[in-house]
Amino acid sequence: SQKIEQNSEALNIQEGKTATLTCNYTNYSPAYLQWYRQDPGRGPVFLLLIRENEKEKRKERLKVTFDTTLKQSLFHITASQPADSATYLCALEQGGGADGLTFGKGTHLIIQP
Amino acid sequence: GAGVSQSPRYKVAKRGQDVALRCDPISGHVSLFWYQQALGQGPEFLTYFQNEAQLDKSGLPSDRFFAERPEGSVSTLKIQRTQQEDSAVYLCASSLEYRAVEQPQHFGDGTRLSIL
Repeated sequence: SQKIEQNSEALNIQEGKTATLTCNYTNYSPAYLQWYRQDPGRGPVFLLLIRENEKEKRKERLKVTFDTTLKQSLFHITASQPADSATYLCALEQGGGADGLTFGKGTHLIIQP
Repeated sequence: GAGVSQSPRYKVAKRGQDVALRCDPISGHVSLFWYQQALGQGPEFLTYFQNEAQLDKSGLPSDRFFAERPEGSVSTLKIQRTQQEDSAVYLCASSLEYRAVEQPQHFGDGTRLSIL
């Protein structure tokens, strides 16, 4: 089955800087990779989906890259703001034709003013 | 609202009791998922419905867990003879079409289940 590794420790970034979060996976390379944001006491909220043939995808201040050779995705938030503080989850298809997602543990991002 | 709605938001039960958790997906969404999230962990897949058909229940931890979606809309996750290790947040998600891995999943805010 697929395994996902995300920086498990909190990531502290100063407001205005770029935050970069890492998602590494093992085993097979998925055709799709998704990033979600989760705030305390709330469900995950979808941010971006990237396909294996889309090396990079952008949405406003967010950018995601997908390197199938390194088996890694990077998630960037530029011009970070305190409101960006949350846990960010990487998710991949489970594989084997299953439709559920496998999630990483998430990275807790703290943007300090 | 137009989002996924889950109830109750909090549930406390004594060990051995049965519980039922409800999910109202976004209207018209074909795919529905249940996930279990332990503290400090990412969501873990439990089961998947396509309309009323339960196509994948490989993530259900034991035969004490049962899910249904009889009319292809509202879903219920039932846990029988609850045990302390069942304490977690149970999340429901829906997506518009069949190939859910290619689409965003829309999550509810979950039911926090505590077993005493």
